[in-house]
Amino acid sequence: DAKTTQPPSMDCAEGRAANLPCNHSTISGNEYVYWYRQIHSQGPQYIIHGLKNNETNEMASLIITEDRKSSTLILPHATLRDTAVYYCIVLNSGGSNYKLTFGKGTLLTVNP
Amino acid sequence: SAVISQKPSRDICQRGTSLTIQCQVDSQVTMMFWYRQQPGQSLTLIATANQGSEATYESGFVIDKFPISRPNLTFSTLTVSNMSPEDSSIYLCSAFSREGGYTFGSGTRLTVV
Repeated sequence: DAKTTQPPSMDCAEGRAANLPCNHSTISGNEYVYWYRQIHSQGPQYIIHGLKNNETNEMASLIITEDRKSSTLILPHATLRDTAVYYCIVLNSGGSNYKLTFGKGTLLTVNP
Repeated sequence: SAVISQKPSRDICQRGTSLTIQCQVDSQVTMMFWYRQQPGQSLTLIATANQGSEATYESGFVIDKFPISRPNLTFSTLTVSNMSPEDSSIYLCSAFSREGGYTFGSGTRLTVV
């Protein structure tokens, strides 16, 4: 699976949009981009995933560049409860290797 | 998506002893995994729990230290054997199904003294 690069930390003001970048320049055509987050002392929580088109759900939006070498997770109105470590993971979930490999992630701190 | 119940949620154990962690999923899943998260670190995959056969371990993890069972499609156990303080971590169970994607348990916080 392709490797991802994320900034180690980011700050965001409560109520503003949080934009978390992820670089995955070695992604291959059949690999998806997944985002998870881990709030302190809890198990990781699924946020969103996508292949090439932008995706939106009740939690977030995922913007994938046309060349698929990077993506941005957008939390449109960040709250204090969104403070967590956010993990960007690239995975070929259509193949036989279903293992999620976690990098260091981005610690997002939402400030009042 | 599947709901995972992981027990115990935390434990304090004496060095040299063993602890078995249980993971129960509320529906049949294709894959089950065990992760370790050391203090301040990201998650590291220990092994894939295979139903009815030996688990597949990642580099650096061995069956003698982390024996795993998966007797059916909804249940798995991880044993941390002959514990030392270096085994103090959070251990997490995860499940994957094509319908529900990946789900994680809330973890077992282990302290070895």
